[in-house]
Amino acid sequence: KQEVTQIPAALSVPEGENLVLNCSFTDSAIYNLQWFRQDPGKGLTSLLLIQSSQREQTSGRLNASLDKSSGRSTLYIAASQPGDSATYLCAVSIIQGAQKLVFGQGTRLTINP
Amino acid sequence: GAGVSQSPSNKVTEKGKDVELRCDPISGHTALYWYRQSLGQGLEFLIYFQGNSAPDKSGLPSDRFSAERTGGSVSTLTIQRTQQEDSAVYLCASSSGQGKNQPQHFGDGTRLSIL
Repeated sequence: KQEVTQIPAALSVPEGENLVLNCSFTDSAIYNLQWFRQDPGKGLTSLLLIQSSQREQTSGRLNASLDKSSGRSTLYIAASQPGDSATYLCAVSIIQGAQKLVFGQGTRLTINP
Repeated sequence: GAGVSQSPSNKVTEKGKDVELRCDPISGHTALYWYRQSLGQGLEFLIYFQGNSAPDKSGLPSDRFSAERTGGSVSTLTIQRTQQEDSAVYLCASSSGQGKNQPQHFGDGTRLSIL
């Protein structure tokens, strides 16, 4: 059974810092890995999707990497801003049927002005 | 364009009542997913619809849960004889269904509270 773990569970940093969020998964049989952002009381916003054959994806100040063989992904946020405060979730799309997503528990990020 | 729309945004009901949650996916998206987000369990898959294929119901926690998708568009998730442990946020997502690497787009969810 696929399990996804995110470390740390919570992170608080001053504005302007670069930071890294970590995600690990137990089964490398995935189609892709997605990073999402969730604001309080809201749904999930897709940030980046990395296909299983890819190593990284970039969007603006965000860079996500994927090492499928070791079951790890990182989300790098450059020059953090207070507006980046949210919960960040990683999820893998599993090959065994339905392309359903298996989620980690998330990292709650706070950027202090 | 319009995103995934869910209604109601909040629902409070008494234990034992039936509830219906609605999801309107992005126009043209053939794949539709329901997930549940609860404090203790995180986000977990419930059910998946793809076009006219039989749905994947493998995530439904009990036979009190059912879902249908009419005309390949709107979906309703029904919970019968609700229990307090059903309290959670129910999230719907859709994707284009074209290939294995299409992102899932989520609605804002329905927050269900069972008294």
